[in-house]
Amino acid sequence: DQQVKQNSPSLSVQEGRISILNCDYTNSMFDYFLWYKKYPAEGPTFLISISSIKDKNEDGRFTVFLNKSAKHLSLHIVPSQPGDSAVYFCAALTGTASKLTFGTGTRLQVTL
Amino acid sequence: GAVVSQHPSRVICKSGTSVKIECRSLDFQATTMFWYRQFPKQSLMLMATSNEGSKATYEQGVEKDKFLINHASLTLSTLTVTSAHPEDSSFYICSARAAGGRNTEAFFGQGTRLTVV
Repeated sequence: DQQVKQNSPSLSVQEGRISILNCDYTNSMFDYFLWYKKYPAEGPTFLISISSIKDKNEDGRFTVFLNKSAKHLSLHIVPSQPGDSAVYFCAALTGTASKLTFGTGTRLQVTL
Repeated sequence: GAVVSQHPSRVICKSGTSVKIECRSLDFQATTMFWYRQFPKQSLMLMATSNEGSKATYEQGVEKDKFLINHASLTLSTLTVTSAHPEDSSFYICSARAAGGRNTEAFFGQGTRLTVV
């Protein structure tokens, strides 16, 4: 039962354009969401997070949007850079649980 | 930011042998550590949660006798894959969380690529 889903396994974006990575969830108890970036053979690194009491959080080139009614969140990267090429995972938490539930990941390729 | 060191980064072992993977928090005390496993092109699957000084809590379907987890100190947790078989070949990742924080303060190690031949 995949409670956090990233339906696009891959995405290709031209340098300088906007990258939009999507994530859907089914568990209405999730109240905190995180995005991680992962290079091959490395552990994930934290990018940005958002609490369910907000609908937007921005940090530099990265913005996360949350639509609770649709159980959907998205990560916007603008402008996209070649160094952004990696696999991006969204993850979710509930208030009472300490473990992250990860999505399946989206591989972003930023081309020149 | 906080650093979590995982060792070794890559290991090849023979079928039937045991392999130990270490996860260290270098600049903070990790009261909780998590062990994940990632199959190719799949998500990170939580295997177990360990709290310092107590037994690990394993996720459903994870054999606790096969994947031994020890969290003996606030800076070190180990995962031992016992009697490894080729199907145990995978990418194993730990994360560590300091006291008082939600998982937002969990930092990940660099991962260990285990290949069982």
